[in-house]
Amino acid sequence: QKEVEQDPGPLSVPEGAIVSLNCTYSNSAFQYFMWYRQYSRKGPELLMYTYSSGNKEDGRFTAQVDKSSKYISLFIRDSQPSDSATYLCAMSADRGSTLGRLYFGRGTQLTVWP
Amino acid sequence: ETGVTQTPRHLVMGMTNKKSLKCEQHLGHNAMYWYKQSAKKPLELMFVYSLEERVENNSVPSRFSPECPNSSHLFLHLHTLQPEDSALYLCASSQDIGSGLGYTFGSGTRLTVV
Repeated sequence: QKEVEQDPGPLSVPEGAIVSLNCTYSNSAFQYFMWYRQYSRKGPELLMYTYSSGNKEDGRFTAQVDKSSKYISLFIRDSQPSDSATYLCAMSADRGSTLGRLYFGRGTQLTVWP
Repeated sequence: ETGVTQTPRHLVMGMTNKKSLKCEQHLGHNAMYWYKQSAKKPLELMFVYSLEERVENNSVPSRFSPECPNSSHLFLHLHTLQPEDSALYLCASSQDIGSGLGYTFGSGTRLTVV
């Protein structure tokens, strides 16, 4: 079983739609959960991160972590064409256990059309 | 640029060639990483350096040889590659190799092996 599972899509939505991106994982030691956004021909950039369970909101973006289900989500409200990118989930365990190694999902390719 | 610069942006090489990828970070970070990103696959961690010392080699074939002459520069020397090594090679840095937060990625080198 892979450490992190993420549906690669592609996902295509109209402008203004609510987008839901998800990942599941198998390692209960993961404590830090991140979402990276990667535009075409660019490297990934950190979009949001959450420690342990709960929700975190930043503008149109909301990250949710459910550790009991080993399931994380990223919601994008009022999606814009500029949100078109590949979204990668990533997670890591505490300092000292994996040397801070990040485990990535495959990434979900999102297209928001006007 | 994000503070992590990779050169060249694109590279085409034959299977008998020797080439090097370069990464430079201007963020004062102590840890640097090489990742391989292939289509439809998660990011694969290749090497981790902390304060110029290699701390992880993730079962990477010997045809990939990293070098970290100082904390700002990281190289990946390539020789006798195979077509399946064609991928986007990403360099990243972080303040240290602790929790896995705060990775900054470069834009990558798109490598094609012919």
